[in-house]
Amino acid sequence: NAGVTQTPKFQVLKTGQSMTLQCAQDMNHNSMYWYRQDPGMGLRLIYYSASEGTTDKGEVPNGYNVSRLNKREFSLRLESAAPSQTSVYFCASRGSRGFFEQYFGPGTRLTVT
Amino acid sequence: SQQGEEDPQALSIQEGENATMNCSYKTSINNLQWYRQNSGRGLVHLILIRSNEREKHSGRLRVTLDTSKKSSSLLITASRAADTASYFCATAEDNYGQNFVFGPGTRLSVLP
Repeated sequence: NAGVTQTPKFQVLKTGQSMTLQCAQDMNHNSMYWYRQDPGMGLRLIYYSASEGTTDKGEVPNGYNVSRLNKREFSLRLESAAPSQTSVYFCASRGSRGFFEQYFGPGTRLTVT
Repeated sequence: SQQGEEDPQALSIQEGENATMNCSYKTSINNLQWYRQNSGRGLVHLILIRSNEREKHSGRLRVTLDTSKKSSSLLITASRAADTASYFCATAEDNYGQNFVFGPGTRLSVLP
């Protein structure tokens, strides 16, 4: 039982390049989330998926797209990376009953030069 | 917008002392959650308190919730060096409990 896994762990991009961050969970959770964390700050929600086939914007969706590929996988895509997107990205998942806690992946550290 | 706002931003104490962190929020909530983040790692859930609860305990953790003041506090008793981490409160702004907002966190340093 690996929990929430993210790939890659580190990535350096040049401005304008694109990439996809991958996230998978093996806990049969319905809800999945993408956050970014900037130095010294809390997490900000980018997008979330309450269930397979649905996605919704969070606080800071501009410059990102997401895909809920199936119940296990939720990917985050940067179409044209900008230096302002330099951050640590966390994926999380949550069970569907009640208001259960979120389980977080280890994060992807992204630098855009 | 940052719904959860913790204070203090940083706290430094000696091992064995108690640490208290506070969180304020702006809208009505169904529950409030506290998370811990060790340096360079993902967040780990500590405790959840529902809006109809006033206090909750889990081991050395005690959480209180005052919905009239829109505030919560996290108390860690008899702190240990291993408690050194950042602590965040989180609330969900929407009725479905999905659109989570995290505060900027309190960085706790426990000195041996």
